[in-house]
Amino acid sequence: QSVLTQPPSASGTPGQRVTISCSGSSSNIGSNYVYWYQQLPGTAPKLLIYRNNQRPSGVPDRFSGSKSGTSASLAISGLRSEDEADYYCAAWDDSLSAHVVFGGGTKLTVL
Amino acid sequence: QITLKESGPTLVKPTQTLTLTCTFSGFSLSTSGVGVGWIRQPPGKALEWLALIYWDDDKRYSPSLKSRLTITKDTSKNQVVLTMTNMDPVDTATYYCAHSIIVGAIGPHFDYWGQGTLVTVSS
Repeated sequence: QSVLTQPPSASGTPGQRVTISCSGSSSNIGSNYVYWYQQLPGTAPKLLIYRNNQRPSGVPDRFSGSKSGTSASLAISGLRSEDEADYYCAAWDDSLSAHVVFGGGTKLTVL
Repeated sequence: QITLKESGPTLVKPTQTLTLTCTFSGFSLSTSGVGVGWIRQPPGKALEWLALIYWDDDKRYSPSLKSRLTITKDTSKNQVVLTMTNMDPVDTATYYCAHSIIVGAIGPHFDYWGQGTLVTVSS
């Protein structure tokens, strides 16, 4: 059972906009930045969003992040087949001696 | 350019201690704000954060695994070592090390990852 809750799956057709949610608590999302990772099949995770809504260089602006209270969302617009991957949210958690928590991951399928 | 590579045994027996080494290049672990973390992923399952060590030797551990983990750094060798005691078959996973930096505030900012190493726990 992950500390951050994500839907196990999401889907969309090419060109669509999809969102993936991440729900936490006051000790993690509610008081710290949210990060998002993309993991393509058989590869290491890649940082997609940091500090709630910042994109590392090289990440297309089709990817955007937002946060409100103890929840966060990743939005992908103009969905492409190469976006089919697992997506994870993460945050620092201030409880029990500060540590990192990940979500359970969302598998995005491009139909 | 920043690269990281994990090394260690691919097979360990239950109750044994696992020692993994992350050898990196392209950055120094003596630079302010820099850290190296370990994250694992059981086959077909989610990512799980294990530990993180910063340039100032600040160490953070997963609360659920803290009693079994030790993370250390050797700045001169550009290496970070993770040991995990009392291994169990449920610890079978791909273990990743990753470069981390503090951007504005401490957080899971892992911007460069190793390729990962699969560790199987079996007798």
